[in-house]
Amino acid sequence: EVQLVESGGGLVKPGRSLRLSCAASGFTFSSYTMNWVRQAPGKGLEWVSSITPGSSYMYYADSVKGRFTISRDNGESSLYLQMNSLRLEDTAIYFCARDHGPWAARPLLSPDRLAPWGQGTLVTVSS
Amino acid sequence: EVVLTQFPDTLSVSPGERVTLSCRASQTFNNNLAWYQQKPGQAPRLLIYGVSTRATGVPARFLGSGSGTDFTLTISSLQSEDFAVYYCQQFDDWPITFGQGTRLEIK
Repeated sequence: EVQLVESGGGLVKPGRSLRLSCAASGFTFSSYTMNWVRQAPGKGLEWVSSITPGSSYMYYADSVKGRFTISRDNGESSLYLQMNSLRLEDTAIYFCARDHGPWAARPLLSPDRLAPWGQGTLVTVSS
Repeated sequence: EVVLTQFPDTLSVSPGERVTLSCRASQTFNNNLAWYQQKPGQAPRLLIYGVSTRATGVPARFLGSGSGTDFTLTISSLQSEDFAVYYCQQFDDWPITFGQGTRLEIK
């Protein structure tokens, strides 16, 4: 069974840092682009960042560019999101999501539909 | 950036009814559009991709259609478990974008 389990969320003050993790199992992690998507309380979905299987390409939403860094460890089947200079508006549930199709089956450097998703980890930025 | 606008924001319907949700894009793109269902306290679930292909395990009452800039998700006969928020997403180009969502409520 494919599973994604996020961790690392919590309460943090503005300007501080937090690192999220996503542990993957049940599939060949090194074959898929991985993604972070967030959802502010009561709001819709916002794509945050994506990383290709070999970490050659990383993509970021403008709202987090320069503050967040996505990374992965294929040996550990883990995805990470280092979040620096956190702002009040970064408060959200952060979901880890896998590309639906493996990298080799996708058009070069194109995004994909997202499935499956983890259950999310809540990040609250507050003074 | 492709902006996706969903309408209506909220739809109040009765079980057994047929309902159509809309998603309009700010520019034409290839049919790399997906629909997701999200229930309270849960992660989104992929329903439809490539405009009209149902994901594994998705009931046949969910139908996707459209092209160009206008896309729709039709649920042919609403079941109680279908009351949720639905999002469209484009995966044609970076950045990935989502619509703001349509909430299906029980009338």
